[in-house]
Amino acid sequence: NAGVTQTPKFRVLKTGQSMTLLCAQDMNHEYMYWYRQDPGMGLRLIHYSVGEGTTAKGEVPDGYNVSRLKKQNFLLGLESAAPSQTSVYFCASSYLTGGSTDTQYFGPGTRLTVL
Amino acid sequence: DAKTTQPPSMDCAEGRAANLPCNHSTISGNEYVYWYRQIHSQGPQYIIHGLKNNETNEMASLIITEDRKSSTLILPHATLRDTAVYYCIVRVILSGGYQKVTFGTGTKLQVIP
Repeated sequence: NAGVTQTPKFRVLKTGQSMTLLCAQDMNHEYMYWYRQDPGMGLRLIHYSVGEGTTAKGEVPDGYNVSRLKKQNFLLGLESAAPSQTSVYFCASSYLTGGSTDTQYFGPGTRLTVL
Repeated sequence: DAKTTQPPSMDCAEGRAANLPCNHSTISGNEYVYWYRQIHSQGPQYIIHGLKNNETNEMASLIITEDRKSSTLILPHATLRDTAVYYCIVRVILSGGYQKVTFGTGTKLQVIP
């Protein structure tokens, strides 16, 4: 199993450009998540999905859109990039156990710089 | 979800036990305590979780106080590879899958040779 993979690993954008980050998991997990991590900070939840075709807002959703057309993929889009979106983006996936707990498996991250 | 409080940094001698505290005084009865760690700039890695009872796995032990307001992660024999930022979080999956989780800034553990 590859686990959780993210594409691309690095990207530099100019202000106003758009891009899509791809997250893929091969563990058949129901839940998927997008986080951002700014320097010296913890992770903040952007959006998440509880199953194919569903998405929901997390803590910091503004400026981002997501889609979960296939169970194994979760896409994060930036329609008009801003310097404030310079960050490291982590994707994660999980499955429920015992009805109320889950363990998240994280990808290696995407380093995005917006100039 | 309940907020957690952790010391920003700790040192531990190699081969000794590392005890990382976490305060979660506003935890609810159905919220679990989870620990993750992040080595350098890699993606966070799951360590252990628990509800009420103490838990142990191949990586660590989790001690939760009887009132559940605090917990301690124990790495029994710290190695240099355990140098990382350790996050304590509490989470619960509500009906319909709704959830809200905050990782905070964690504790930076430095294992010293």
